Amino acid sequence: KAGVTQTPRYLIKTRGQQVTLSCSPISGHRSVSWYQQTPGQGLQFLFEYFSETQRNKGNFPGRFSGRQFSNSRSEMNVSTLELGDSALYLCASSRRDGFKNEQFFGPGTRLTVL
Amino acid sequence: GENVEQHPSTLSVQEGDSAVIKCTYSDSASNYFPWYKQELGKRPQLIIDIRSNVGEKKDQRIAVTLNKTAKHFSLHITETQPEDSAVYFCAARNYQFYFGTGTSLTVIP
Repeated sequence: KAGVTQTPRYLIKTRGQQVTLSCSPISGHRSVSWYQQTPGQGLQFLFEYFSETQRNKGNFPGRFSGRQFSNSRSEMNVSTLELGDSALYLCASSRRDGFKNEQFFGPGTRLTVL
Repeated sequence: GENVEQHPSTLSVQEGDSAVIKCTYSDSASNYFPWYKQELGKRPQLIIDIRSNVGEKKDQRIAVTLNKTAKHFSLHITETQPEDSAVYFCAARNYQFYFGTGTSLTVIP
């Protein structure tokens, strides 16, 4: 079974631009979560989508948004980029049925904002 | 919301010794506690998890213990090897996952 994939793997943008990141979950997984990882901050939860609906949202400004498509693929968008948005963005998928919550991470997208 | 604290932030052990990483959580509704290992430049990988109805779980050299009353859980690695060197994250889940800030483990040969 193919793992979680993310595209692109690396991205360089300048302040004020916007960016869209993509995540394809494991086949059969309906939940996709997004995290921002920066040195010293660990994994900060951005949002979770399940069956095309945003189920939970972390404490990030409205510049961060996302969506999920009917095939469970998910995108996240960051508008008006700031230097502090430079980070590794990880998505994770899970089946999220009943008590089975195991999450599998993608390789991440390394975003650099200049 | 939930708050997960993880200690220590860095840990160095001699090869063959044991390593223990501790996490505390605040929300008694959290019911699932995974541990992830992230090697440099790689994605976090689930290494072991425990559910709130279990007190201890072991998988070869790795074990996790959970104390629901005290709201803390710990990762134990025995007979450490250089390939155990990585950053380890704990997490707790109620409605979403909350992660600790990570422990950088170095195993000295």
